Amino acid sequence: ETGVTQSPTHLIKTRGQQVTLRCSSQSGHNTVSWYQQALGQGPQFIFQYYREEENGRGNFPPRFSGLQFPNYSSELNVNALELDDSALYLCASSPGLAGIQETQYFGPGTRLLVL
Amino acid sequence: SQQGEEDPQALSIQEGENATMNCSYKTSINNLQWYRQNSGRGLVHLILIRSNEREKHSGRLRVTLDTSKKSSSLLITASRAADTASYFCATGTSGSRLTFGEGTQLTVNP
Repeated sequence: ETGVTQSPTHLIKTRGQQVTLRCSSQSGHNTVSWYQQALGQGPQFIFQYYREEENGRGNFPPRFSGLQFPNYSSELNVNALELDDSALYLCASSPGLAGIQETQYFGPGTRLLVL
Repeated sequence: SQQGEEDPQALSIQEGENATMNCSYKTSINNLQWYRQNSGRGLVHLILIRSNEREKHSGRLRVTLDTSKKSSSLLITASRAADTASYFCATGTSGSRLTFGEGTQLTVNP
């Protein structure tokens, strides 16, 4: 148990729809990162939030957006869903900003299927 | 894009044997971490090795890091059926961003 939870566990959407995925970090963890993991691949970094502000972004289009709230919860929003967005979405929290030497604590993930 | 490449992609061994997985990466790093994933669920942190360290142990796990060759290895000794999972190396560079490899699928047969 990492203390990080995600909801929902599974989700089915159709192309063009919008989706919101939720994550609850460990208390005291100011940094949350989101990753996309396609089937059979390693996770890819989407973006990171630190104290409610975006703090780094991977190679994902603007239709992927996020929010982080003061109560250590966060959201990943994806607009105009495409078939290739089907994946496992993972959030990970860590205590500080730089995280150079830090472990990240992952949630169990949300599996999104876009039809 | 993936920075790390794990080798082999898949490994099948018998219970009690040792399992060795390798990871290569391309750029300078602050640390390298190994994670385990069971059946497409969340990742579990196994061990972190800093760029100025060469070897680290944790229980049945031994990790080595060779920054001159930009490579790392994870050794699991006396493997158990419960060790069956996917294993990923991840490199830490700037901030908290982790860059993952494609993973090694380990199967331990009872």
